[in-house]
Amino acid sequence: ILNVEQSPQSLHVQEGDSTNFTCSFPSSNFYALHWYRWETAKSPEALFVMTLNGDEKKKGRISATLNTKEGYSYLYIKGSQPEDSATYLCAFLSGSARQLTFGSGTQLTVLP
Amino acid sequence: GAVVSQHPSWVICKSGTSVKIECRSLDFQATTMFWYRQFPKQSLMLMATSNEGSKATYEQGVEKDKFLINHASLTLSTLTVTSAHPEDSSFYICSAPPRGLAEAFFGQGTRLTVV
Repeated sequence: ILNVEQSPQSLHVQEGDSTNFTCSFPSSNFYALHWYRWETAKSPEALFVMTLNGDEKKKGRISATLNTKEGYSYLYIKGSQPEDSATYLCAFLSGSARQLTFGSGTQLTVLP
Repeated sequence: GAVVSQHPSWVICKSGTSVKIECRSLDFQATTMFWYRQFPKQSLMLMATSNEGSKATYEQGVEKDKFLINHASLTLSTLTVTSAHPEDSSFYICSAPPRGLAEAFFGQGTRLTVV
């Protein structure tokens, strides 16, 4: 059983604050690490698919880094806005598996 | 990106009845669909993989006779919870698997409450 852990479980920040979350995953047999943003009553939407150690990806105010050797990824949100409120999921794809293994998510609430 | 439509978004049913959840790929053909279940504050857990034209594969501990999966066409996969019990109350979501380094695409999920 693959272990993918996210922290913190939940987070409340004020509008304008920057924040970050952690995803830890197995450091062996790595293929890809996915980040998804999941708003209530909607489908999870992909933010990033990361594959290379040291990779850093950015989409607007959101960015992510990847360390495959130590098995962690950080997701950063700069200048949080209320519309950033959602659950952020990471998912690990190993080289030998076809399906994603998910963390339990970080629930972000941005207070106006 | 690809669109996956899942219905119903929520359902309440009585113990002993069966509930069917549909998952449709609207703008692509899906030969495979993953079905996940999520309990409160827990991860999405893979239940089974539906395969168009062949039997579904179930994860360890998932009862095949209780969770019937059918993948009758390249655009429709269904999960039927048979003889539902309150402990089956959960959130169920389908997903078209990632192809290579692409992302996965999800339905909106179904909140099942068995009373």
